[in-house]
Order: sequence, then C-alpha cells, then structure tokens
Amino acid sequence: EAGVAQSPRYKIIEKRQSVAFWCNPISGHATLYWYQQILGQGPKLLIQFQNNGVVDDSQLPKDRFSAERLKGVDSTLKIQPAKLEDSAVYLCASSWDRGESYEQYFGPGTRLTVT
Amino acid sequence: TQLLEQSPQFLSIQEGENLTVYCNSSSVFSSLQWYRQEPGEGPVLLVTVVTGGEVKKLKRLTFQFGDARKDSSLHITAAQTGDTGLYLCAGGNAGNMLTFGGGTRLMVKP
Repeated sequence: EAGVAQSPRYKIIEKRQSVAFWCNPISGHATLYWYQQILGQGPKLLIQFQNNGVVDDSQLPKDRFSAERLKGVDSTLKIQPAKLEDSAVYLCASSWDRGESYEQYFGPGTRLTVT
Repeated sequence: TQLLEQSPQFLSIQEGENLTVYCNSSSVFSSLQWYRQEPGEGPVLLVTVVTGGEVKKLKRLTFQFGDARKDSSLHITAAQTGDTGLYLCAGGNAGNMLTFGGGTRLMVKP
C-alpha cells in the first residue's frame, strides 16, 4: 500500500514570496491533516479535513495560510506571503476516519526555508 | 489550550543502558499515543494507550498511561543504536485531534 505522498520535499523562498505544498493521502482515507513542525518542536495541527470539508482550522493563520481539498482526495497548503517564522517542516497525514481508533499515517514532509 | 511537556528534551546514552521518557499534562486526554520520528521522515506510530493505568509492551519498549490519563511514560530496556531518534507523545481527543509534546531526542551510542 502506497503511503502519504508530499511534494516538494524541500523549498527555499524569500520572505514575502508565495509557496504551495501538495499532499496525496493513502487511497480511501477520508480524513486529512496538515501539521507544522518547527525545528526542535513537536508537530502542531494546522487544519483537519473530512473528505472535502474543513473540520478544524482554529490554529491556521488565515491571514497568510490557506488550504483546500477540493475533490476529497489530494490537498494543497499555501502560504502567501511567507514570513521568516514560517520556516518549518510541513507534514501531511491521513486516516480512515476521524475516530480516535484510526491511526494517522504521516508523509515525509516538506522542509520550507524562508530567507 | 492543552499542552504536553516531555522530559528530558535530549538524552544520550550508551548501548545496553535503560532509559525512561516522560510526558506530562495538566489536561485529561482520552488517549495517548507515542511516535518515533527519523530525520527526513514523518512520525510513525508506536503505540496507543486509552485506559488509565494501562501498560503496553512492544519488545523492549514499555508504555504506561497514568491513572488520571494526564501523563505517560516510555521505558526502553537495553537500548540499541537502532533506537536513536525523536520520540513524540501525542494526546488524543474527540475527532482524532492530536496535541503533540515537544519531543525527546534520543542518541544511543555504540
């Protein structure tokens, strides 16, 4: 079974530029998550989708971050404009459903460096 | 806001030694998960504990959930170099929303 795919793996941009990350979850997984992991810290949930609807985006900085999952499969996370403090690894995860018994499977992440 | 604190943040030990990592919170979680993360990869689930006082063993790893479901510990017996990595605890609540701790970076030297 293929795992969660993310691209690109690495991205370097200057502050105030825009960037987009792509995630393809495990086939059949209804729930998709985006996390931000700053160096030396644990992942922080940014947004959770159930199929193509947003379940929780309370920790998403909506003035600059946006995310969509239009067809309930793959998802994109965008930052516009980027700030230095956005430098982090952006992890995508998916699970069969929202219940706690459903394991979250993580992708390898996209490492973003903002200069 | 629910917070999880892990200690120690860094641990460097010799192969064969035992170690314990702690995960503490002032909040109650309905489940507690432990992950291991290698450089350049996403976290991989090791275990989920859901009942207060629950103990689970995974080969040389022993996981315990506190009676009040606010804390947890991970004990590794006879550590091996392959155990090197970042260990993360995560508290779970309704809707599979996870709150992660800051992680414990373990280095096992040969």
